[in-house]
Amino acid sequence: TQLLEQSPQFLSIQEGENLTVYCNSSSVFSSLQWYRQEPGEGPVLLVTVVTGGEVKKLKRLTFQFGDARKDSSLHITAAQPGDTGLYLCAGAGGNNRLAFGKGNQVVVIP
Amino acid sequence: NAGVTQTPKFQVLKTGQSMTLQCAQDMNHNSMYWYRQDPGMGLRLIYYSASEGTTDKGEVPNGYNVSRLNKREFSLRLESAAPSQTSVYFCASTGTVLNQPQHFGDGTRLSIL
Repeated sequence: TQLLEQSPQFLSIQEGENLTVYCNSSSVFSSLQWYRQEPGEGPVLLVTVVTGGEVKKLKRLTFQFGDARKDSSLHITAAQPGDTGLYLCAGAGGNNRLAFGKGNQVVVIP
Repeated sequence: NAGVTQTPKFQVLKTGQSMTLQCAQDMNHNSMYWYRQDPGMGLRLIYYSASEGTTDKGEVPNGYNVSRLNKREFSLRLESAAPSQTSVYFCASTGTVLNQPQHFGDGTRLSIL
């Protein structure tokens, strides 16, 4: 059973466009973490959101945690080729285990 | 800073062969994890170790064994490799503070023929 559903699975956009990807669950998490993974490497943490309704910004990336702490979104403004990668969301439920979604594969075309 | 180091980076095995994947972290983390990543399946937890001396099954433990050799090292063993175990394997570690991120190695790409 996949606890976290990420959509869309694949997204291809032109450089300069905006995009939003989603991470949804029926479970409540103590926090949600977003990672980015590039080919041939392990995932690297981008941000952790903890409080329901929380919004965090990391340069052109905006992360939002839903009020009920079940879902999250990632918005990228004016996407650049360097934003290309697999974006993974992960829910923390306790005992330091994470439940990962299948990822949003983002391709930004120059 | 090395972080999490996995060896080997690539390996090809024949069905039935055995091998051990090595993982070491230098961040003094208590918890360590082994995941596999397959196309379209995301990261699935195989085994984890909450602290030195303890190990627990994750989502897909069948066909694997683990050893938490000491606080730094956590190894994953395939006793009799099967083609279904062809995958990319990632080791990760984290501290004990709630909501800390996991730090990942660069993976071991394993093909079983």
